[in-house]
Amino acid sequence: GQNIDQPTEMTATEGAIVQINCTYQTSGFNGLFWYQQHAGEAPTFLSYNVLDGLEEKGRFSSFLSRSKGYSYLLLKELQMKDSASYLCAVRDEGSYIPTFGRGTSLIVHP
Amino acid sequence: DVKVTQSSRYLVKRTGEKVFLECVQDMDHENMFWYRQDPGLGLRLIYFSYDVKMKEKGDIPEGYSVSREKKERFSLILESASTNQTSMYLCASGPGEKLFFGSGTQLSVL
Repeated sequence: GQNIDQPTEMTATEGAIVQINCTYQTSGFNGLFWYQQHAGEAPTFLSYNVLDGLEEKGRFSSFLSRSKGYSYLLLKELQMKDSASYLCAVRDEGSYIPTFGRGTSLIVHP
Repeated sequence: DVKVTQSSRYLVKRTGEKVFLECVQDMDHENMFWYRQDPGLGLRLIYFSYDVKMKEKGDIPEGYSVSREKKERFSLILESASTNQTSMYLCASGPGEKLFFGSGTQLSVL
């Protein structure tokens, strides 16, 4: 199993950059995921990292360091619609099943 | 677009009732999942299925069972609903790198 840790809540200003961290402990690693969930809606997939490094996708980027058990999600040019919960999930080696952290609630204010 | 459909958005049941939550996906995915989501606890896996008639227990299977008679349909059953099963239930399906979630069923057990 995994022990996944991410901050409970963060606030940021519209137009700014925010970094949401996720640390994990696992006996074997088979991928890390980030999902976005707006209040009252289903989670939607943002990114998948299995190798070390930065994956950029528009305003969102995700970074992974397997040796440190660490990932972050970077959101640039924040918009009000980015206010949501961001879920980090990790999959064990040989498993189909992602285990989710408790999520980080991001509040973007004007 | 991939569609994961959950039969009810809101459901109110009485303690002791048998409850069926239905989930249908239209992308021929082999893997399907049932999670529950509670404030402060994040997404927790109840059951997982990797093929028709195949199932595995997740982290919190007690009080639940599942059925997968057809590839596209994965049902969650509460044999005798209890108040501590009041929660948001999310179904998901997908290949290894990405999950697609249904819009969820908010179940209240009175």
